[in-house]
Amino acid sequence: AQKVTQAQTEISVVEKEDVTLDCVYETRDTTYYLFWYKQPPSGELVFLIRRNSFDEQNEISGRYSWNFQKSTSSFNFTITASQVVDSAVYFCAPDYKLSFGAGTTVTVRA
Amino acid sequence: GAVVSQHPSWVICKSGTSVKIECRSLDFQATTMFWYRQFPKQSLMLMATSNEGSKATYEQGVEKDKFLINHASLTLSTLTVTSAHPEDSSFYICSARDLRGQETQYFGPGTRLLVL
Repeated sequence: AQKVTQAQTEISVVEKEDVTLDCVYETRDTTYYLFWYKQPPSGELVFLIRRNSFDEQNEISGRYSWNFQKSTSSFNFTITASQVVDSAVYFCAPDYKLSFGAGTTVTVRA
Repeated sequence: GAVVSQHPSWVICKSGTSVKIECRSLDFQATTMFWYRQFPKQSLMLMATSNEGSKATYEQGVEKDKFLINHASLTLSTLTVTSAHPEDSSFYICSARDLRGQETQYFGPGTRLLVL
């Protein structure tokens, strides 16, 4: 079984600030996938990013970037120059069966 | 691409009735679909894994006779909440994994169930 820890329950920022969401996971698998999903107030989960465990290259996609450190089992996610529309609950989830973390509620104030 | 729909989006029913929720992958085939429930301000809890043409695999603590799952085709899975009670009120979300094995799950918009 996977275990996911998102230590931050809530984060509140002012628009244009950067937001970094922490995620630490436990797994016995040697290869696995990691995901970040976003759940806006409407409730529908939106797929954001997926990483393979054997690819530790960190990337930037638009305002999103992520920092994957296999040695520390961390998969952090950053929103640069946050916008009000980024307000949502963000879930980290490893593996295809998706053991979800508790989620981090991000509130971006205008 | 990768659109998953759920129907209905909202349902209110009386205690003791059964409610069926449909989950469809609209533009891809999914051998595996997943059903989750989510209580307010909580994370998603996996209820069961639905496999096309075979029995669903239920997570520990989930009553299989209470939550009937049928995966009749590569694009449709249904969850039936039998003899619903107020404690079954929740947000039910399905997801589907593309047959092409991209490992990414795409989620439906969810179904809010309120049992009176």
